[in-house]
Amino acid sequence: EIVLTQSPDTLSLSPGERATLSCRASQSVVGSYLAWYQQKPGQAPRLLIYAASTRATGIPDRFSGSGSGTDFTLTISRLEPEDFAVFYCQQYGTSPVTFGGGTKVQI
Amino acid sequence: EVQLLESGGGVVQPGGSLRLSCAASGFTFSDYTMNWVRQAPGRGLEWVSGISGSGATTYYADSVKGRFTISRDKSKNTLSLEMNSLRAEDTAVYYCVKDENSWFPSFLDYWGQGVLVAVSS
Repeated sequence: EIVLTQSPDTLSLSPGERATLSCRASQSVVGSYLAWYQQKPGQAPRLLIYAASTRATGIPDRFSGSGSGTDFTLTISRLEPEDFAVFYCQQYGTSPVTFGGGTKVQI
Repeated sequence: EVQLLESGGGVVQPGGSLRLSCAASGFTFSDYTMNWVRQAPGRGLEWVSGISGSGATTYYADSVKGRFTISRDKSKNTLSLEMNSLRAEDTAVYYCVKDENSWFPSFLDYWGQGVLVAVSS
């Protein structure tokens, strides 16, 4: 199965700053079929990005995704207070679908 | 509005069984693959199982293959997960999750609030 490694484990930033999260795959992600999710404490995850760079419905344009092959990035251009959470990447190009271990973005 | 409501969680002894259910509404249930994803306390997300929109094809993580069975009832818009031979490492919040795809697990666009399964003696 494809192993996804997210870095850093924790990102300490302030509101208004830019956040850059990395997701590296152990082998090429077919079709760039990679998604990003946000999870706040006590809540279910929420889909942010799919197909590496397509924002899900209702997701603000400060969230953007990029990458292909084995290296993918989620960028939050200017952090809002509600953005502080844990973010997970997921590949769905090869069965079984797999998730990365998560990156916590904290103040 | 898509809604997914899980039920059936609880505390069970190692080796025991439990059945989770998920009531779905707000979309055409049979058009989409449905999944179970779990999250152990303080840990990340783990995909557990999926079932195609028609119910003809099922998918399992190696960690649960042979112990868990996923099914769906299109007449009741309900997804189920039968869990047998439960182990301590199965302790987690289990999420019922709608897929974007009709045929196989892909990206996950709607999540339920989750139900806790605790395996402990």
